[in-house]
Amino acid sequence: QQQVKQSPQSLIVQKGGISIINCAYENTAFDYFPWYQQFPGKGPALLIAIRPDVSEKKEGRFTISFNKSAKQFSLHIMDSQPGDSATYFCAASNTGNQFYFGTGTSLTVIP
Amino acid sequence: NAGVTQTPKFQVLKTGQSMTLQCAQDMNHNSMYWYRQDPGMGLRLIYYSASEGTTDKGEVPNGYNVSRLNKREFSLRLESAAPSQTSVYFCASSLTGGWGGELFFGEGSRLTVL
Repeated sequence: QQQVKQSPQSLIVQKGGISIINCAYENTAFDYFPWYQQFPGKGPALLIAIRPDVSEKKEGRFTISFNKSAKQFSLHIMDSQPGDSATYFCAASNTGNQFYFGTGTSLTVIP
Repeated sequence: NAGVTQTPKFQVLKTGQSMTLQCAQDMNHNSMYWYRQDPGMGLRLIYYSASEGTTDKGEVPNGYNVSRLNKREFSLRLESAAPSQTSVYFCASSLTGGWGGELFFGEGSRLTVL
Protein backbone atom coordinates (compact mmCIF):
# COMPACT_ATOMS: atom_id res chain seq x y z
CA GLN A 1 0.00 0.00 0.00
CA GLN A 2 1.52 3.27 -1.17
CA GLN A 3 1.71 5.64 1.78
CA VAL A 4 2.34 8.65 -0.44
CA LYS A 5 0.69 8.97 -3.85
CA GLN A 6 2.44 11.11 -6.45
CA SER A 7 1.37 12.44 -9.84
CA PRO A 8 2.04 12.83 -12.67
CA GLN A 9 4.44 10.01 -13.51
CA SER A 10 6.10 12.15 -16.16
CA LEU A 11 6.00 15.81 -17.10
CA ILE A 12 7.28 17.79 -20.07
CA VAL A 13 7.56 21.55 -19.71
CA GLN A 14 8.93 24.29 -21.92
CA LYS A 15 11.86 26.32 -20.68
CA GLY A 16 10.54 29.19 -18.57
CA GLY A 17 7.30 27.41 -17.74
CA ILE A 18 5.96 26.23 -14.41
CA SER A 19 6.31 22.58 -13.38
CA ILE A 20 3.80 21.26 -10.85
CA ILE A 21 4.01 17.90 -9.10
CA ASN A 22 1.36 16.74 -6.66
CA CYS A 23 1.38 14.37 -3.72
CA ALA A 24 -1.24 13.07 -1.31
CA TYR A 25 -1.06 11.10 1.91
CA GLU A 26 -3.45 9.49 4.39
CA ASN A 27 -1.47 9.07 7.59
CA THR A 28 -2.08 12.15 9.75
CA ALA A 29 0.90 11.18 11.91
CA PHE A 30 3.26 12.40 9.20
CA ASP A 31 4.91 15.61 10.31
CA TYR A 32 7.68 16.23 7.79
CA PHE A 33 7.35 16.45 4.02
CA PRO A 34 10.56 16.67 1.98
CA TRP A 35 11.11 16.67 -1.76
CA TYR A 36 14.10 14.93 -3.27
CA GLN A 37 15.69 15.46 -6.68
CA GLN A 38 17.50 12.67 -8.50
CA PHE A 39 19.69 12.93 -11.59
CA PRO A 40 20.45 9.84 -13.70
CA GLY A 41 23.05 7.58 -12.11
CA LYS A 42 22.98 9.47 -8.83
CA GLY A 43 21.27 9.08 -5.50
CA PRO A 44 18.40 11.40 -4.56
CA ALA A 45 19.28 14.66 -2.83
CA LEU A 46 17.13 16.87 -0.62
CA LEU A 47 15.64 19.80 -2.53
CA ILE A 48 13.22 21.44 -0.11
CA ALA A 49 11.06 20.40 2.84
CA ILE A 50 8.07 21.63 4.79
CA ARG A 51 6.40 20.93 8.11
CA PRO A 52 2.58 20.82 8.45
CA ASP A 53 2.21 24.02 10.47
CA VAL A 54 2.98 26.21 7.44
CA SER A 55 1.08 26.38 4.15
CA GLU A 56 3.94 27.36 1.87
CA LYS A 57 7.71 27.36 1.73
CA LYS A 58 9.78 28.96 -0.98
CA GLU A 59 13.45 28.51 -1.80
CA GLY A 60 14.51 30.28 -4.95
CA ARG A 61 12.49 28.93 -7.87
CA PHE A 62 11.13 26.02 -5.82
CA THR A 63 7.97 26.28 -3.73
CA ILE A 64 6.10 23.71 -1.66
CA SER A 65 2.39 24.30 -1.14
CA PHE A 66 0.83 22.35 1.72
CA ASN A 67 -2.87 21.74 2.38
CA LYS A 68 -3.21 19.98 5.72
CA SER A 69 -6.99 19.55 5.59
CA ALA A 70 -6.82 17.92 2.16
CA LYS A 71 -3.68 15.97 3.07
CA GLN A 72 -2.00 17.13 -0.10
CA PHE A 73 1.19 18.94 -0.95
CA SER A 74 2.78 20.01 -4.18
CA LEU A 75 6.07 21.18 -5.64
CA HIS A 76 6.09 24.18 -7.99
CA ILE A 77 9.17 24.91 -10.07
CA MET A 78 8.99 28.42 -11.48
CA ASP A 79 10.90 29.46 -14.60
CA SER A 80 11.80 25.82 -15.27
CA GLN A 81 15.25 25.28 -16.80
CA PRO A 82 16.76 22.35 -18.75
CA GLY A 83 19.04 21.74 -15.76
CA ASP A 84 15.93 20.98 -13.71
CA SER A 85 15.34 17.87 -15.81
CA ALA A 86 15.45 15.07 -13.24
CA THR A 87 13.23 12.72 -11.27
CA TYR A 88 11.46 14.26 -8.30
CA PHE A 89 10.22 12.33 -5.28
CA CYS A 90 7.93 13.58 -2.58
CA ALA A 91 8.20 11.93 0.80
CA ALA A 92 6.62 11.92 4.23
CA SER A 93 7.98 11.02 7.61
CA ASN A 94 6.97 10.80 11.22
CA THR A 95 9.12 10.66 14.31
CA GLY A 96 9.54 6.93 13.85
CA ASN A 97 12.54 7.23 11.55
CA GLN A 98 10.73 5.94 8.49
CA PHE A 99 10.59 7.99 5.32
CA TYR A 100 7.91 7.00 2.79
CA PHE A 101 8.48 8.05 -0.80
CA GLY A 102 6.13 8.66 -3.69
CA THR A 103 6.62 6.83 -6.98
CA GLY A 104 8.50 9.69 -8.59
CA THR A 105 7.94 12.17 -11.43
CA SER A 106 10.28 12.34 -14.39
CA LEU A 107 10.55 15.99 -15.41
CA THR A 108 11.87 17.02 -18.81
CA VAL A 109 12.36 20.70 -19.53
CA ILE A 110 12.58 21.41 -23.26
CA PRO A 111 14.90 24.27 -24.28
CA ASN B 1 34.35 14.47 1.55
CA ALA B 2 33.05 10.98 0.66
CA GLY B 3 29.59 11.13 2.30
CA VAL B 4 27.86 7.77 1.78
CA THR B 5 29.85 5.11 -0.06
CA GLN B 6 28.30 1.93 -1.44
CA THR B 7 30.01 -1.13 -2.85
CA PRO B 8 29.75 -2.75 -5.30
CA LYS B 9 28.20 -0.39 -7.88
CA PHE B 10 27.17 -3.24 -10.16
CA GLN B 11 26.59 -6.94 -9.53
CA VAL B 12 25.10 -9.82 -11.48
CA LEU B 13 23.97 -12.89 -9.54
CA LYS B 14 22.38 -16.18 -10.41
CA THR B 15 19.20 -17.22 -8.64
CA GLY B 16 20.05 -18.71 -5.26
CA GLN B 17 23.41 -17.03 -4.86
CA SER B 18 24.12 -14.82 -1.87
CA MET B 19 25.83 -11.47 -1.60
CA THR B 20 26.34 -8.53 0.70
CA LEU B 21 26.03 -4.86 -0.20
CA GLN B 22 28.31 -2.67 1.85
CA CYS B 23 27.61 0.89 2.96
CA ALA B 24 29.73 3.32 4.94
CA GLN B 25 29.18 6.96 5.92
CA ASP B 26 31.71 9.42 7.23
CA MET B 27 29.32 12.10 8.52
CA ASN B 28 28.93 10.69 12.05
CA HIS B 29 25.24 10.10 11.38
CA ASN B 30 23.13 8.09 13.79
CA SER B 31 20.53 6.65 11.39
CA MET B 32 21.17 4.53 8.33
CA TYR B 33 18.77 3.10 5.75
CA TRP B 34 18.57 0.68 2.85
CA TYR B 35 16.11 1.43 0.04
CA ARG B 36 15.38 -0.27 -3.24
CA GLN B 37 14.28 1.67 -6.32
CA ASP B 38 12.17 0.06 -9.00
CA PRO B 39 10.49 1.67 -12.02
CA GLY B 40 7.04 2.96 -11.12
CA MET B 41 7.49 1.99 -7.46
CA GLY B 42 9.61 4.83 -6.15
CA LEU B 43 11.93 4.23 -3.23
CA ARG B 44 10.87 1.56 -0.77
CA LEU B 45 12.47 1.11 2.61
CA ILE B 46 13.93 -2.33 3.24
CA TYR B 47 15.54 -1.93 6.67
CA TYR B 48 16.78 0.93 8.78
CA SER B 49 18.93 1.44 11.83
CA ALA B 50 18.01 4.35 14.05
CA SER B 51 21.23 4.06 16.01
CA GLU B 52 24.22 1.80 16.41
CA GLY B 53 23.09 -1.58 17.69
CA THR B 54 19.49 -1.37 16.51
CA THR B 55 17.80 -2.43 13.28
CA ASP B 56 14.16 -2.42 12.21
CA LYS B 57 12.16 -3.68 9.27
CA GLY B 58 10.83 -1.29 6.68
CA GLU B 59 8.19 -1.78 4.01
CA VAL B 60 9.80 -4.65 2.08
CA PRO B 61 12.17 -6.65 4.33
CA ASN B 62 11.47 -10.17 3.08
CA GLY B 63 14.53 -11.87 1.58
CA TYR B 64 17.00 -9.46 3.18
CA ASN B 65 19.06 -9.21 6.33
CA VAL B 66 21.06 -6.30 7.67
CA SER B 67 23.92 -5.68 10.06
CA ARG B 68 24.82 -2.38 11.70
CA LEU B 69 28.47 -3.22 12.13
CA ASN B 70 29.33 0.06 13.86
CA LYS B 71 28.21 3.66 13.64
CA ARG B 72 29.75 4.05 10.18
CA GLU B 73 28.75 0.83 8.44
CA PHE B 74 25.43 -0.77 7.54
CA SER B 75 25.38 -3.85 5.30
CA LEU B 76 22.53 -5.52 3.41
CA ARG B 77 22.65 -9.25 2.73
CA LEU B 78 20.70 -11.31 0.24
CA GLU B 79 20.91 -14.92 1.42
CA SER B 80 19.32 -16.55 -1.63
CA ALA B 81 18.85 -14.07 -4.46
CA ALA B 82 15.67 -14.15 -6.55
CA PRO B 83 14.90 -12.38 -9.87
CA SER B 84 12.39 -10.20 -7.97
CA GLN B 85 15.34 -8.68 -6.14
CA THR B 86 16.71 -7.19 -9.35
CA SER B 87 16.76 -3.50 -8.48
CA VAL B 88 18.87 -0.48 -7.70
CA TYR B 89 19.74 -0.38 -4.02
CA PHE B 90 20.45 2.84 -2.18
CA CYS B 91 21.99 3.29 1.20
CA ALA B 92 21.25 6.51 3.05
CA SER B 93 22.16 8.10 6.34
CA SER B 94 20.71 10.83 8.49
CA LEU B 95 21.90 12.67 11.56
CA THR B 96 18.43 12.24 13.02
CA GLY B 97 15.41 10.36 11.78
CA GLY B 98 11.92 11.71 11.25
CA TRP B 99 11.19 15.40 11.39
CA GLY B 100 13.94 17.54 9.97
CA GLY B 101 16.17 14.60 9.20
CA GLU B 102 17.83 15.02 5.83
CA LEU B 103 18.67 11.76 4.09
CA PHE B 104 22.05 11.61 2.38
CA PHE B 105 22.12 8.91 -0.29
CA GLY B 106 24.91 6.94 -1.85
CA GLU B 107 25.11 6.59 -5.62
CA GLY B 108 23.41 3.22 -5.66
CA SER B 109 24.22 -0.42 -6.34
CA ARG B 110 22.63 -1.94 -9.43
CA LEU B 111 21.87 -5.62 -8.87
CA THR B 112 20.68 -8.04 -11.54
CA VAL B 113 19.53 -11.53 -10.58
CA LEU B 114 19.32 -13.97 -13.48
